[in-house]
Amino acid sequence: QQQVKQSPQSLIVQKGGISIINCAYENTAFDYFPWYQQFPGKGPALLIAIRPDVSEKKEGRFTISFNKSAKQFSLHIMDSQPGDSATYFCAASRMDSSYKLIFGSGTRLLVRP
Amino acid sequence: GAVVSQHPSRVICKSGTSVKIECRSLDFQATTMFWYRQFPKQSLMLMATSNEGSKATYEQGVEKDKFLINHASLTLSTLTVTSAHPEDSSFYICSARDYLLGDTIYFGEGSWLTVV
Repeated sequence: QQQVKQSPQSLIVQKGGISIINCAYENTAFDYFPWYQQFPGKGPALLIAIRPDVSEKKEGRFTISFNKSAKQFSLHIMDSQPGDSATYFCAASRMDSSYKLIFGSGTRLLVRP
Repeated sequence: GAVVSQHPSRVICKSGTSVKIECRSLDFQATTMFWYRQFPKQSLMLMATSNEGSKATYEQGVEKDKFLINHASLTLSTLTVTSAHPEDSSFYICSARDYLLGDTIYFGEGSWLTVV
């Protein structure tokens, strides 16, 4: 119930391409779904987040698509750049109670020049 | 944006000693802070939730007597690893919830602990 499953484990994309990372959750009580970017040796940085009352949110080159009925959400990185090479984590949380973030297993993205 | 500061960023300690890691919210008040542990190339695992003025809530499997958490003020939480062993070597990361902004949670830069 508490798991967040993330795929793929690693991803290689050419510069300018679209990077797509998927996550699935089981606990229908989750109501906050953020994506974090982490560079080696650094803490995670919030990229973009969505609530279940919307199906899509876009901020710059980053878009979250959310499918409540399927309990899935995904991150799309448009026009991927070498500087986007990092590890990406999806997470889920209950903002009405604990605020604990449950993280997916992470996706290591490499964008080739 | 809001900043969460961790100190020290790197620490090496001898086996059997204790080490304290601080987590500060620099420009906001954090009623709730979280401590995570991350092994190389793995995800973040929540260790405990720290609430200002009350006892921390530990996740299943985390030894509360080994990982002492104190949240004495709205801007500071500390994690003390007691009687450290080499297997405690890890990347420890804190995060803090800005209670005025509701669901915004900021992460610190992490602290590398190496126990020799």
